[in-house]
Amino acid sequence: GEDVEQSLFLSVREGDSSVINCTYTDSSSTYLYWYKQEPGAGLQLLTYIFSNMDMKQDQRLTVLLNKKDKHLSLRIADTQTGDSAIYFCAEDGEGKLIFGQGTELSVKP
Amino acid sequence: DGGITQSPKYLFRKEGQNVTLSCEQNLNHDAMYWYRQDPGQGLRLIYYSQIVNDFQKGDIAEGYSVSREKKESFPLTVTSAQKNPTAFYLCASSLMTGVGYEQYFGPGTRLTVT
Repeated sequence: GEDVEQSLFLSVREGDSSVINCTYTDSSSTYLYWYKQEPGAGLQLLTYIFSNMDMKQDQRLTVLLNKKDKHLSLRIADTQTGDSAIYFCAEDGEGKLIFGQGTELSVKP
Repeated sequence: DGGITQSPKYLFRKEGQNVTLSCEQNLNHDAMYWYRQDPGQGLRLIYYSQIVNDFQKGDIAEGYSVSREKKESFPLTVTSAQKNPTAFYLCASSLMTGVGYEQYFGPGTRLTVT
């Protein structure tokens, strides 16, 4: 079945780059997404990548997709304290999103 | 301002009581969804609706019920049959179901049952 896996925690220093990793199982997924959730709030779409792309850059965010290994990563450059949140990757399973467990990013000043 | 509202933000109930969570959207979206979030488990789909008067079970529908009488509203009832109802509940909507339609999320309702 479909499954999406992420590590649960990541801690970085302010100004460093953060890299959040995700693996998925459904090779037919057309879109892969990154969502951000701040404490006690809903999810906000950060960015997405179409499955025929290897990389997508959007300001401080870089998404890398390795289809062969079914590996997705989100790099946040110059990480700020305001980036502290839970980050979810999700694959598009025929219009239903399959979410990973979420990676809690902690940014220390 | 277009968006999704969920109310209340916090809800407390005694075990054995049914409780209904509200979700309203003014985005004119056809599709609406309910997810449950537990720590370390990500989001799991409870129910979704592609159009008014129609809805489908998600991965964890047991102990929950929904209705979709109006396009803008998709209330979720947590029944007494739900064995572990304490969780954070998120509602979402999208223009349509199908690949590539962005889901917009509400702020969530935290339900505590004691």
